[in-house]
Amino acid sequence: ETGVTQTPRHLVMGMTNKKSLKCEQHLGHNAMYWYKQSAKKPLELMFVYNFKEQTENNSVPSRFSPECPNSSHLFLHLHTLQPEDSALYLCASSQDRGGETQYFGPGTRLLVL
Amino acid sequence: GQNIDQPTEMTATEGAIVQINCTYQTSGFNGLFWYQQHAGEAPTFLSYNVLDGLEEKGRFSSFLSRSKGYSYLLLKELQMKDSASYLCAVTPGTYKYIFGTGTRLKVLA
Repeated sequence: ETGVTQTPRHLVMGMTNKKSLKCEQHLGHNAMYWYKQSAKKPLELMFVYNFKEQTENNSVPSRFSPECPNSSHLFLHLHTLQPEDSALYLCASSQDRGGETQYFGPGTRLLVL
Repeated sequence: GQNIDQPTEMTATEGAIVQINCTYQTSGFNGLFWYQQHAGEAPTFLSYNVLDGLEEKGRFSSFLSRSKGYSYLLLKELQMKDSASYLCAVTPGTYKYIFGTGTRLKVLA
């Protein structure tokens, strides 16, 4: 247990569906991150939030929409995804300034049909 | 560009020592991390290096040479539970993290 939880753990969706991934951290951290992990590829940083403000958006397609209502919760809203978006989506948190140790959740395994 | 290289796969025997290398080229450097990731699980923090030299933590040690853009993770007295992927990551700046593809380590009995 790293103190970061994610739901659901597995998700299958069609290309026309809308779904959301949820992340919650119980560590009192102020920075939260979304990563995409595909087979044989490096972890790709998608979004960064610090104190609920988005600080990084690494050229992620608009079909991925993040939301951070408070420092403990992070959502990733998904709509009209493509099969190549199938991957493991990991959430992480760190204390605040960034460049620090990150604590990862177990991930959501997403399959887009 | 920004790049991190590490071997794709390594195999070692229980009780042995294994060294996993990582080389990086990044636009800046604020530190290097090693994470362990078992299949289907979250990456977990192993070590952090920001200054040159060796950091030892039990059976695991990590080394950094900033001038060479090089790090290694040393695992001693290998156990079966050490079979996992080992991720090297560099933070070139605030809120920026660059990861390697990971090294899958298989420990054989």
